[in-house]
Amino acid sequence: AQTVTQSQPEMSVQEAETVTLSCTYDTSESDYYLFWYKQPPSRQMILVIRQEAYKQQNATENRFSVNFQKAAKSFSLKISDSQLGDAAMYFCAYRSLTGNTPLVFGKGTRLSVIA
Amino acid sequence: DAGITQSPRYKITETGRQVTLMCHQTWSHSYMFWYRQDLGHGLRLIYYSAAADITDKGEVPDGYVVSRSKTENFPLTLESATRSQTSVYFCASSRDTYNEQFFGPGTRLTVL
Repeated sequence: AQTVTQSQPEMSVQEAETVTLSCTYDTSESDYYLFWYKQPPSRQMILVIRQEAYKQQNATENRFSVNFQKAAKSFSLKISDSQLGDAAMYFCAYRSLTGNTPLVFGKGTRLSVIA
Repeated sequence: DAGITQSPRYKITETGRQVTLMCHQTWSHSYMFWYRQDLGHGLRLIYYSAAADITDKGEVPDGYVVSRSKTENFPLTLESATRSQTSVYFCASSRDTYNEQFFGPGTRLTVL
């Protein structure tokens, strides 16, 4: 079974600075999807970014980008020019392309943004 | 476009009572999921469904029952609620295996 590990329960960053959240996963599959979800205090789960494993190019969405290292099974999220609204729980998730498999989530990283 | 909705948003019940949490999506997504979120555990899958009348257990299914008679609805029932089922419950849906899941706003359930 696949597992996802987020080794940083909490992190903080100064406003306008850059922060990187770590995520590693364990799988024997070669094709899969990886996601980062944001959960602000409202509790709503919001998709931040998605990466297809067969794509070597790292995904980017405005200030959010990933560093996808397939061989190392690492999928970190970089937030540039951090804003107060970025404060949230961030969850890394893995989805297999085999069968009817749901997302496997890490336990999350709580990000605080300091003004 | 309502998307995916959950009701109720908050529920307080007593040990031993039956509780049903509702989930409705307007996208005609094939896949639907129920997760619970607890401090220190992240999101854990309870049950999921690949289509109407097809359901499967997730990581923590004990004490829960699901049904899916219509594509758009996926209710979760706690047949005899226990204090350990106090949690925030999220419903999610996705079009297929290749796309992201969209989440409902969550239901905070307290079992006294």
